[in-house]
Amino acid sequence: GDSVTQMEGPVTLSEEAFLTINCTYTATGYPSLFWYVQYPGEGLQLLLKATKADDKGSNKGFEATYRKETTSFHLEKGSVQVSDSAVYFCALYGGATNKLIFGTGTLLAVQP
Amino acid sequence: DSGVTQTPKHLITATGQRVTLRCSPRSGDLSVYWYQQSLDQGLQFLIQYYNGEERAKGNILERFSAQQFPDLHSELNLSSLELGDSALYFCASSVDDSTDTQYFGPGTRLTVL
Repeated sequence: GDSVTQMEGPVTLSEEAFLTINCTYTATGYPSLFWYVQYPGEGLQLLLKATKADDKGSNKGFEATYRKETTSFHLEKGSVQVSDSAVYFCALYGGATNKLIFGTGTLLAVQP
Repeated sequence: DSGVTQTPKHLITATGQRVTLRCSPRSGDLSVYWYQQSLDQGLQFLIQYYNGEERAKGNILERFSAQQFPDLHSELNLSSLELGDSALYFCASSVDDSTDTQYFGPGTRLTVL
C-alpha cells in the first residue's frame, strides 16, 4: 500500500544552518505531497504542498520539490531559526486511496 | 489559526468510561476527518465524513464511532476506554471529499488513567 518514509530525528542544528529533512514515498498513481509542521503543544499546520512532478512547494523560507523519478519530497531551508524548532511531517494524498498518509515525523531542534 | 476548532483541549478519564470529542470545521468546509496521534502508532487516519455521510474508514476501533451533524460539526465517541487509547485526537476539514488539502484543529489530548 501507499506509504511515506522520512528520516529519523531528532535533527539538531545551530541557528543559520542549512536544513534538509528527507522524505520518500511509495504510491500508485500520482499523489499530492505535503509537509506539515507541529509546533510544541499545537496542532498540525500545512507548511507547503506540491501536486505534480517537478512542482516546487515553498513557504516561510522552506521548500520541497516533487521528484517522481526518485519518489522523494525532501524539505529544505537555507538558514534555520530557533523558532523553526518543531516536528515536521511528510504526507501524501491520493495514490491507492483518497486519504492523507503521514510519515513518522522528524523532530527539529535549532540551538542559538 | 486554521479555523478548525476542537473541544475540549484536555480530557482525563478512567478506563471503561466513554467520552465525546467535538469538532467544528472551517466555515464552508463539508468534509471532516479524525486522526489519532500516539507515540507508538504515529498519526493515523480514523474516519472521514462528508456532508453528514461516512465517506472513508481507516484504523478505527469498533469501540469508537463518529457522526457529522446537519450543521457540519462532528463528534468522535470513544467508549470502553483503555489505557492505550490515551493519545492526541485531531480533527481536520476540507472543502469537499476530493480536495487534497486538509486543515487541522489544535487537537484534544485524552488521558485514560
